[in-house]
Amino acid sequence: AQTVTQSQPEMSVQEAETVTLSCTYDTSESDYYLFWYKQPPSRQMILVIRQEAYKQQNATENRFSVNFQKAAKSFSLKISDSQLGDAAMYFCAYRRPYNQGGKLIFGQGTELSVKP
Amino acid sequence: DTAVSQTPKYLVTQMGNDKSIKCEQNLGHDTMYWYKQDSKKFLKIMFSYNNKELIINETVPNRFSPKSPDKAHLNLHINSLELGDSAVYFCASSQDWGGSTDTQYFGPGTRLTVL
Repeated sequence: AQTVTQSQPEMSVQEAETVTLSCTYDTSESDYYLFWYKQPPSRQMILVIRQEAYKQQNATENRFSVNFQKAAKSFSLKISDSQLGDAAMYFCAYRRPYNQGGKLIFGQGTELSVKP
Repeated sequence: DTAVSQTPKYLVTQMGNDKSIKCEQNLGHDTMYWYKQDSKKFLKIMFSYNNKELIINETVPNRFSPKSPDKAHLNLHINSLELGDSAVYFCASSQDWGGSTDTQYFGPGTRLTVL
């Protein structure tokens, strides 16, 4: 069974600085998708970024980028120019295509705080 | 203009009661999901429906019964509520159930507290 591990329960960053959140996963599949979701105190789950395993190029979305290392099964999230609004719980998630009903398998989450 | 909505947002009830949580999506998606987030914030899939048909039923007690009257709605009914059912329940939807461009969009969550 696939597992997703986020080894940093909490992280802190100074406003305007850069922070990297770690995620590793375990799978025997070659085709899959990876996601980072953000959950602010409002509780809403918000998609931050997604990566298809067959793509070698790392995904980027404005200040958010990933470092996808397929062989190492690593999928870290880099947040540049951190803003106060980035403070939230961040979840890494894995999904297989057209199998297991499309379910997302989540990591334990990393609580990010941003200091002014 | 909420894409995925849930009602109620908060639900406080006594042990042993039966309650329902409703979910609606206006995205035209074919697939809907229920996830449970426990007190340690761990999220886990419970159910998945595609075109009103059940495609995922994770190891969930049969006190939990999802119902999908149409593609846009997936309701969760819980019988004989127990203390351990206290959690945040998230509804989500996606265009399909695993395609390459598929992304799941979440509702705001329902915080269920069983006393």
